[in-house]
Amino acid sequence: GESVGLHLPTLSVQEGDNSIINCAYSNSASDYFIWYKQESGKGPQFIIDIRSNMDKRQGQRVTVLLNKTVKHLSLQIAATQPGDSAVYFCAERRAGNNRKLIWGLGTSLAVNP
Amino acid sequence: DAGVTQSPTHLIKTRGQQVTLRCSPISGHKSVSWYQQVLGQGPQFIFQYYEKEERGRGNFPDRFSARQFPNYSSELNVNALLLGDSALYLCASSTGVGETQHFGDGTRLSIL
Repeated sequence: GESVGLHLPTLSVQEGDNSIINCAYSNSASDYFIWYKQESGKGPQFIIDIRSNMDKRQGQRVTVLLNKTVKHLSLQIAATQPGDSAVYFCAERRAGNNRKLIWGLGTSLAVNP
Repeated sequence: DAGVTQSPTHLIKTRGQQVTLRCSPISGHKSVSWYQQVLGQGPQFIFQYYEKEERGRGNFPDRFSARQFPNYSSELNVNALLLGDSALYLCASSTGVGETQHFGDGTRLSIL
């Protein structure tokens, strides 16, 4: 269903550590998944995407893992930096005619220096 | 290259008024989507347009309407504003329906 959360989960990490942000998606028919980063006062920024025929994709310092069996998505950030502090959203795209994005609740990442 | 641009950046209205928000997509993008984001929540889908035609509509009342122009820019109109319409309104553009969306920084609408 649609995102209806009222309180964002928060992840606090030390600078230099690796971060793992998790997301459970709702529809087994979804065929495309995207991670966005949203800094305060800005719009969501595309980070990385993955299609349902893959289970892992790597970018610069980021890796997305997809487990279709349990409908779980994760974003791993290596060597987390203060500039990574933001709210992270996963989004799923439903297959079919109405290909709108369905957004997850969001996780607030705080990086401690 | 310019990203998605939205105007105005901030807007204050009173209940019952009407508002028009504007969006210019990334050059070459033919699809524009509108989202409402309430503080502390993820974006909620309002509309998607592609080649000037509505391609998707979220669960919003008829007070919300939109259109897309021949140059692919778009306007979102909200009539009879309510306090609950206070939110960040985001516009996203993409090359087509279902493709990766790129967002502007939004219009912050406050209803008094």
